[in-house]
Amino acid sequence: NAGVTQTPKFQVLKTGQSMTLQCAQDMNHEYMSWYRQDPGMGLRLIHYSVGAGITDQGEVPNGYNVSRSTTEDFPLRLLSAAPSQTSVYFCASSAGLAGTGANVLTFGAGSRLTVL
Amino acid sequence: AQKITQTQPGMFVQEKEAVTLDCTYDTSDPSYGLFWYKQPSSGEMIFLIYQGSYDQQNATEGRYSLNFQKARKSANLVISASQLGDSAMYFCAMREPDRDSSYKLIFGSGTRLLVRP
Repeated sequence: NAGVTQTPKFQVLKTGQSMTLQCAQDMNHEYMSWYRQDPGMGLRLIHYSVGAGITDQGEVPNGYNVSRSTTEDFPLRLLSAAPSQTSVYFCASSAGLAGTGANVLTFGAGSRLTVL
Repeated sequence: AQKITQTQPGMFVQEKEAVTLDCTYDTSDPSYGLFWYKQPSSGEMIFLIYQGSYDQQNATEGRYSLNFQKARKSANLVISASQLGDSAMYFCAMREPDRDSSYKLIFGSGTRLLVRP
């Protein structure tokens, strides 16, 4: 059982380049989300989705796009990378809305992105 | 405004001793959930324990327990009989509803725990 799979694990970009972080889960979870982790700031929500075809913004959405065409996949796109987007990115999913009742988020292993 | 506060950036504990990691939260919603996650040096996020705002008893999961003091808005994690493998970053998080009645997790800034042999 793979759980939540993120690719790539590491990526270096130049300012202005675009890229997509891939996220896939095989648990048939309805809820998926993207967080970024920066030193001293914990994890902050970028975008989330409560089901296929439905996405919404989190706390820090600027500079990122998402789509949810299938239940399994939730890619995160950086259209024009900036040094401020250097961070570790986590994809997470849960069976219900994040933390409804005792539903917990299952996290991917993380993707470390450096923008030069 | 900071909704989850972890005031201890770093802590040491001797192996086999108990340690308490502090977490305070701020919400006006009566229905919320509190979570603790562990992040070892390998980077993955591991769920430890959950406490619902209406739960009458403090949550426990093996060596982990949550000291939930609702009136003080605190949800401290207690790790008993610390092990070297407990050395990690620990995050407190809170579920609260947003404008669409969807639920998001708000994370604190974390506490780095180092267990000494």
